[in-house]
Amino acid sequence: EAQVTQNPRYLITVTGKKLTVTCSQNMNHEYMSWYRQDPGLGLRQIYYSMNVEVTDKGDVPEGYKVSRKEKRNFPLILESPSPNQTSLYFCASSQDTTYEQYFGPGTRLTVT
Amino acid sequence: GDSVTQMEGPVTLSEEAFLTINCTYTATGYPSLFWYVQYPGEGLQLLLKATKADDKGSNKGFEATYRKETTSFHLEKGSVQVSDSAVYFCALSIGETSGSRLTFGEGTQLTVNP
Repeated sequence: EAQVTQNPRYLITVTGKKLTVTCSQNMNHEYMSWYRQDPGLGLRQIYYSMNVEVTDKGDVPEGYKVSRKEKRNFPLILESPSPNQTSLYFCASSQDTTYEQYFGPGTRLTVT
Repeated sequence: GDSVTQMEGPVTLSEEAFLTINCTYTATGYPSLFWYVQYPGEGLQLLLKATKADDKGSNKGFEATYRKETTSFHLEKGSVQVSDSAVYFCALSIGETSGSRLTFGEGTQLTVNP
């Protein structure tokens, strides 16, 4: 089954404790993205990647890091989380010619 | 920069009512337009899309027409069902990274009552 998986689905952590949210896709897609969803703001892109070792900032990259060492994986790293990063996070992947993005189920992060 | 504006929600309808969710956009180039749907507790799914002016996207009884003259992509359905209750997002992509970069509207919560 074609899918995008994220782990964990729920995470509660404290300010300053480094964390990683994993994302994996099994569709051999070149493009992968991370978004955050906040009430009244829709989804905003954090980072995206066009291929292995190729990443670029989205609209709200501050406080986040990403890496793309393998085509299927695109982890999101919060080196020092802060309460304003409390949000619902989605990973997505796509092939460059179809324009459709496939989304993971989401990770709800709470930073206290 | 590019942006998408959706009608404010939430929207509450009775089953079999007609649905319209307005979406307008601002873009420096020539975007592709999308409607995504998010069911409770799930990620977003593509509902329909249109890649050029006057194209009509359709799926599951939903339709939207790409109107370049009014920069709009309004979502419509003639008869909604309880199972259509979800959050609907209008989005656009543009340029050489269009496969990877989507700009979303704020989302519109739709509730359909039996």
